[in-house]
Amino acid sequence: LAKTTQPISMDSYEGQEVNITCSHNNIATNDYITWYQQFPSQGPRFIIQGYKTKVTNEVASLFIPADRKSSTLSLPRVSLSDTAVYYCLVGDVDRGSTLGRLYFGRGTQLTVWP
Amino acid sequence: GAVVSQHPSWVICKSGTSVKIECRSLDFQATTMFWYRQFPKQSLMLMATSNEGSKATYEQGVEKDKFLINHASLTLSTLTVTSAHPEDSSFYICSAIRWGNEQFFGPGTRLTVL
Repeated sequence: LAKTTQPISMDSYEGQEVNITCSHNNIATNDYITWYQQFPSQGPRFIIQGYKTKVTNEVASLFIPADRKSSTLSLPRVSLSDTAVYYCLVGDVDRGSTLGRLYFGRGTQLTVWP
Repeated sequence: GAVVSQHPSWVICKSGTSVKIECRSLDFQATTMFWYRQFPKQSLMLMATSNEGSKATYEQGVEKDKFLINHASLTLSTLTVTSAHPEDSSFYICSAIRWGNEQFFGPGTRLTVL
């Protein structure tokens, strides 16, 4: 199972773009890259998922280089409410199998200042 | 998006008693659910994989007789902490895989054992 490495913490100011990079050197062919956000005493919330190249949704973008050994979560114009822990995970989520187990790393504590 | 609920959201019990936590997928069927535990200021730790109609698969180091998992239907998995002790106090979170490759997490259950 691919292990991920992220910065432990990051600081930003409101309105700035934040990029959090995650390393996953041992990612497997079937693995997807998924990012979650977690607020204190809440379950993680899905942000974005991708396999290769770039994925964009209404809240974030995910950049994945061709070798897939890293990925970057980009949060445009962060606000105070984006202060949370962000987890990068890699895993094979396949229906009908016992795969899909996700192993969380330490995550990145993002603090947004006014 | 898909919704996963947990009940209760918090529970306080005496040492030696058993506590059952429910995890439900409200708007989709989930053949596979997962249970995690999270201690304060730490990351989520995968405890077990719950498969509908079969025995759960436990991660290494997790006592299966201590943490009983039952996945009786496609929308319900339960985790029973048997003979709970103060060291079992933690935040328990479940997740479910919807058709495709998205994993959705419940809001978590705070267990406090006195």
